[in-house]
Amino acid sequence: DAMVIQNPRYQVTQFGKPVTLSCSQTLNHNVMYWYQQKSSQAPKLLFHYYDKDFNNEADTPDNFQSRRPNTSFCFLDIRSPGLGDAAMYLCATSRDMGQGREQYFGPGTRLTVT
Amino acid sequence: DAKTTQPNSMESNEEEPVHLPCNHSTISGTDYIHWYRQLPSQGPEYVIHGLTSNVNNRMASLAIAEDRKSSTLILHRATLRDAAVYYCILRDKGGSEKLVFGKGTKLTVNP
Repeated sequence: DAMVIQNPRYQVTQFGKPVTLSCSQTLNHNVMYWYQQKSSQAPKLLFHYYDKDFNNEADTPDNFQSRRPNTSFCFLDIRSPGLGDAAMYLCATSRDMGQGREQYFGPGTRLTVT
Repeated sequence: DAKTTQPNSMESNEEEPVHLPCNHSTISGTDYIHWYRQLPSQGPEYVIHGLTSNVNNRMASLAIAEDRKSSTLILHRATLRDAAVYYCILRDKGGSEKLVFGKGTKLTVNP
């Protein structure tokens, strides 16, 4: 089945130690998104790629960066994780960005910062 | 982005229909109404979307008021697997077409 895959499902990192989360998709979608979801809150968009074009949300901290080396893969890099960055990180894809277009989400990676 | 208002929580019994309301009184004429749900410990899942007419798919039905200021997601026969947080989201034509999640409605299904 075509899907969005996130690895690992659980990641523990130390305060200030860079960490990378990965996402891959077999849907061949043009757009890939990263969301942050803190405990008991709704998902919040961090940024997205439309093909190779990177679009950062205005309130996304500089500590968060992303790479998309090809259509299938997208990475979320957290340069210096703080305790406040502990959250579920969700990757999503969509074929394009039409307002009627649905997004497909992965299962998420739960990040713990110690 | 236009805002939506949903009840914080609702309860239903298994095998009964569930009507999840959403108010969006500031909706514009070109805003689509999307519904997603998030099961515990999983990523959100697309449920249904519509613009003006009522919509049906294998998961649910979406009833849109004639003035479009409110909509209702209908699960025809709730199962325990439908227990989730349901998000009603407006997507505007002029914006970045991103999903802006509100607080959603937590649906509990009783056996």
